[in-house]
Amino acid sequence: GESVGLHLPTLSVQEGDNSIINCAYSNSASDYFIWYKQESGKGPQFIIDIRSNMDKRQGQRVTVLLNKTVKHLSLQIAATQPGDSAVYFCAENAVRNTDKLIFGTGTRLQVFP
Amino acid sequence: KAGVTQTPRYLIKTRGQQVTLSCSPISGHRSVSWYQQTPGQGLQFLFEYFSETQRNKGNFPGRFSGRQFSNSRSEMNVSTLELGDSALYLCASSSSGGGTEAFFGQGTRLTVV
Repeated sequence: GESVGLHLPTLSVQEGDNSIINCAYSNSASDYFIWYKQESGKGPQFIIDIRSNMDKRQGQRVTVLLNKTVKHLSLQIAATQPGDSAVYFCAENAVRNTDKLIFGTGTRLQVFP
Repeated sequence: KAGVTQTPRYLIKTRGQQVTLSCSPISGHRSVSWYQQTPGQGLQFLFEYFSETQRNKGNFPGRFSGRQFSNSRSEMNVSTLELGDSALYLCASSSSGGGTEAFFGQGTRLTVV
């Protein structure tokens, strides 16, 4: 079915290092993108979003980069902490002005001391 | 402000039965979307409701249906349950739908035996 792909299913980083999670999206017409974090037993938690008229957006310790030319998203987490360990999903807004999201397969981030 | 509330959290049903899941969105949110999450298929869009109208529907059989009430609360129903319907069903709400932050509930874990 429809899906947004991820290059790295599992990413292991040392505490304090920066993490980069990548995502390739499928629809060049998508105009809104979201990164979610999902911890075991919980629903996805909103991290940061970006619209297609932007290339970069920063939040607290997180930055999302959007490259529309190659349909690529990335999530950068600065100074990764043990609490960042989770599965991260990118999602694209499949139909404008609606909430239909197409999710990537997810990347598991493991933070070790 | 309370988050998205889904009930029940866990459910065990027998093949052939039907089930109804409930979702109460964040107060003031008018858009409610439903997703199915399984290890094999990831997060798959089921449908989206906005102001009591179904605005989008995913690629699921007609056994999956939903509705939204005037208070924005939503229910989804699965009839004639199959083993493959075992999944985490997630509900998300947003204020207006489309290009705005969508917040997820904890999900309902459905097991079909």
